[in-house]
Amino acid sequence: QVQLQESGPGLVTPSDTLSLTCTVSGSFISNNNWWGWIRQPPGKGLEWIGYIHYSGSTYYNPSLKSRVTMSLDTSKNQFSLKLKSMTAVDTAVFYCARYETRGYYPDVWGKGTTVTVSS
Amino acid sequence: QSALTQPASVSGSPGQSITISCTGTSSDVGAYNLVSWYQQYPDKAPKILIYDVSARPSGVSNRFSGSKSANTASLTISGLQAEDEADYYCLSYTTSTSFLFGGGTKLTVL
Repeated sequence: QVQLQESGPGLVTPSDTLSLTCTVSGSFISNNNWWGWIRQPPGKGLEWIGYIHYSGSTYYNPSLKSRVTMSLDTSKNQFSLKLKSMTAVDTAVFYCARYETRGYYPDVWGKGTTVTVSS
Repeated sequence: QSALTQPASVSGSPGQSITISCTGTSSDVGAYNLVSWYQQYPDKAPKILIYDVSARPSGVSNRFSGSKSANTASLTISGLQAEDEADYYCLSYTTSTSFLFGGGTKLTVL
């Protein structure tokens, strides 16, 4: 059974860079899947951030593209998100997710981690 | 890119059927048969219900069904049960090689 677990700071200072990691168990990130991030501000809907393939290909939300970087660490079976220039509007629950092999929908989600941007 | 349009809320009585719409454009919902639907309980991660417009993952009740016409996808829940009370989101792949979520619909079981 594939499981994903997000980790990272619960509190980020405005203008800082957020770094989150997703640890995968029950599958290898080197499998032919896409791995990505989705966020949800408090009381609001879901927003797609982007995803990355083992091959290194990445696709990001156009509205966040200038601030987002995703990467993989196959030795640790983890993938990561960096989001620059954080502001209060970036406060959200961040979910990591596995996409099915074609990359057209996320089928396994982590439980989510809450990130608050505040000084 | 704006979120796909879903009704903010829908409601129904146990045993009834309800339908949640998800309206986009010819660049997303209408472009491909790549719409998926998710159920989310409070403070929980979303769970997939439907993919590729109308396919159900194993383990998902056949009370959940999906369809699409032009730029609008729909999720129908038949035989409504109290446990169906949750938030529902659609997700569409787009011609820009990105994804758009719907704004979400809160289902209340009366």
